[in-house]
Amino acid sequence: AQKVTQAQTEISVVEKEDVTLDCVYETRDTTYYLFWYKQPPSGELVFLIRRNSFDEQNEISGRYSWNFQKSTSSFNFTITASQVVDSAVYFCALTAFETGGFKTIFGAGTRLFVKA
Amino acid sequence: GAVVSQHPSRVICKSGTSVKIECRSLDFQATTMFWYRQFPKQSLMLMATSNEGSKATYEQGVEKDKFLINHASLTLSTLTVTSAHPEDSSFYICSARDPFSGRRTDTQYFGPGTRLTVL
Repeated sequence: AQKVTQAQTEISVVEKEDVTLDCVYETRDTTYYLFWYKQPPSGELVFLIRRNSFDEQNEISGRYSWNFQKSTSSFNFTITASQVVDSAVYFCALTAFETGGFKTIFGAGTRLFVKA
Repeated sequence: GAVVSQHPSRVICKSGTSVKIECRSLDFQATTMFWYRQFPKQSLMLMATSNEGSKATYEQGVEKDKFLINHASLTLSTLTVTSAHPEDSSFYICSARDPFSGRRTDTQYFGPGTRLTVL
């Protein structure tokens, strides 16, 4: 069965600090997709990134970067020079094939507080 | 990009009544839609997978007679919470998969969610 673990329940940082959100996943499938979503207080999920299992290249997008390591089944997310607007809940998710089709499993989420 | 809408965004109802939530894909046809439930300060839990023209597939522990799902067209899926009780109060989020997005099977677009409060 698929599983996504976000061990950090809450993280609090001061503005301009760097912060890394951890994500560890489990799946038996060789083809799968990993995602990070941001959920602000409004509740609407904001898509941040998608990674395919066969593409281990790390990615940087502005202040955001992602480190995908298949050897440790991890897909960590780093925010550089955090800002107050980054305060939200961040979810890591895994889409893989289960009986009946592809399903997406979400981690428990990490609540990030960025203080001014 | 693709947009998925949900209606209503908020609903308050009395215990025992039924509530229908609509999920629409606005600029693409979605053969598969998903319904999630999110309790306060918790993660999204998949409730069911809805395929156009066929019966929904429910996750373990989700009562199919309580949460009726209809996917009658390629752009609309509905979730009806029947005989709602206070414990059904939650944030319900749908997503739709665009089979022709060019991103293969992994592209899901999420709706903005519906906050249900049962008094």
